[in-house]
Amino acid sequence: DAKTTQPPSMDCAEGRAANLPCNHSTISGNEYVYWYRQIHSQGPQYIIHGLKNNETNEMASLIITEDRKSSTLILPHATLRDTAVYYCIVRIGTASKLTFGTGTRLQVTL
Amino acid sequence: GAVVSQHPSRVICKSGTSVKIECRSLDFQATTMFWYRQFPKKSLMLMATSNEGSKATYEQGVEKDKFLINHASLTLSTLTVTSAHPEDSSFYICSGTSGNTGELFFGEGSRLTVL
Repeated sequence: DAKTTQPPSMDCAEGRAANLPCNHSTISGNEYVYWYRQIHSQGPQYIIHGLKNNETNEMASLIITEDRKSSTLILPHATLRDTAVYYCIVRIGTASKLTFGTGTRLQVTL
Repeated sequence: GAVVSQHPSRVICKSGTSVKIECRSLDFQATTMFWYRQFPKKSLMLMATSNEGSKATYEQGVEKDKFLINHASLTLSTLTVTSAHPEDSSFYICSGTSGNTGELFFGEGSRLTVL
């Protein structure tokens, strides 16, 4: 699986949009971009995934650049409960393993 | 979304004993299950991949005789830490996928403390 690069930490004010970047410059054509988050001492939670089109669900939006070498996860209105470590992962197919990097620790503040 | 349940959520055991952790998919059939380990302030490290009815595939550096994985049914996988030692203390997390949607569903994790 292609390696991803994320900033180690970010801060965001409650109510504002949180934009979390991810670089995956060596991604191949059949690799999807997945985002998970992990709140302290819990199992990871699925957020969203995409191949090349932008995606949106009730939790977040995923913007993938045209060359697919980077992406941004957008939490439109961050709340304190969004404080977590966010992992950007590229993955082949739909049944293969997920390899976690170090992620971005997002701190949402009042 | 689909639910994966782990039990126990916390376990404390003496050094040298064995501990079994169960992972159940409650509302889907998990053809593939993954077991991860996470040390404090570190990322998740994949230990092994198991497909229902076949032997698990272990990642490099993970001792298959120490971490026994059984995936006998489409809804249950177990991880047994044999002859546990303090360095095995960690947060163990399982995940499952049916392979249809691409989503990987994670359990709540099991925190093992070996005294």
